[in-house]
Amino acid sequence: EAGVAQSPRYKIIEKRQSVAFWCNPISGHATLYWYQQILGQGPKLLIQFQNNGVVDDSQLPKDRFSAERLKGVDSTLKIQPAKLEDSAVYLCASSYSGRLDNEQFFGPGTRLTVL
Amino acid sequence: SQQGEEDPQALSIQEGENATMNCSYKTSINNLQWYRQNSGRGLVHLILIRSNEREKHSGRLRVTLDTSKKSSSLLITASRAADTASYFCASPGGKLIFGQGTELSVKP
Repeated sequence: EAGVAQSPRYKIIEKRQSVAFWCNPISGHATLYWYQQILGQGPKLLIQFQNNGVVDDSQLPKDRFSAERLKGVDSTLKIQPAKLEDSAVYLCASSYSGRLDNEQFFGPGTRLTVL
Repeated sequence: SQQGEEDPQALSIQEGENATMNCSYKTSINNLQWYRQNSGRGLVHLILIRSNEREKHSGRLRVTLDTSKKSSSLLITASRAADTASYFCASPGGKLIFGQGTELSVKP
């Protein structure tokens, strides 16, 4: 079974530039998550999709971050404009359903450096 | 705020020794999960323990849960160098919320 795919793996940009990350979840998984993991901390949920609808985006900085999952499969996360504090690893995860006892499967992440 | 807090923040042991990590959480839960993160395999789910369970085993892993103290522990027995990783507890507080992790180093 193929895992969660993410691209790019690394990205370096200057502050105020824009950046986009892509995620393809495990086939058949209805729920997709984007997490932000700052160095030395645990992952923090940014947004959760159930199929193509948003379940929770309460911790997404909506003034600069946006995400979509138009066809209920793959997803993109965008930052526009980026700030220095956005430097982090962005993890995508998927699960079969949104039940909280479902195992989440994580992708390798995209390491973003904002200069 | 983080739902889970791991202790210790860092742990260094020799191969063959046991490693114990603790997690405390703040609100009532219906389950608690442990994850491992290393550079090779990324973030991987290890084990889930439900609120009506007190102990659960999976291979060399043993997890306990004390809901009265709002705490859990992860024991890795007969540790190996490959167990070197960061370990996180995660509990659903409406959503899965991760602690800051315990960084485990197992020296050959």
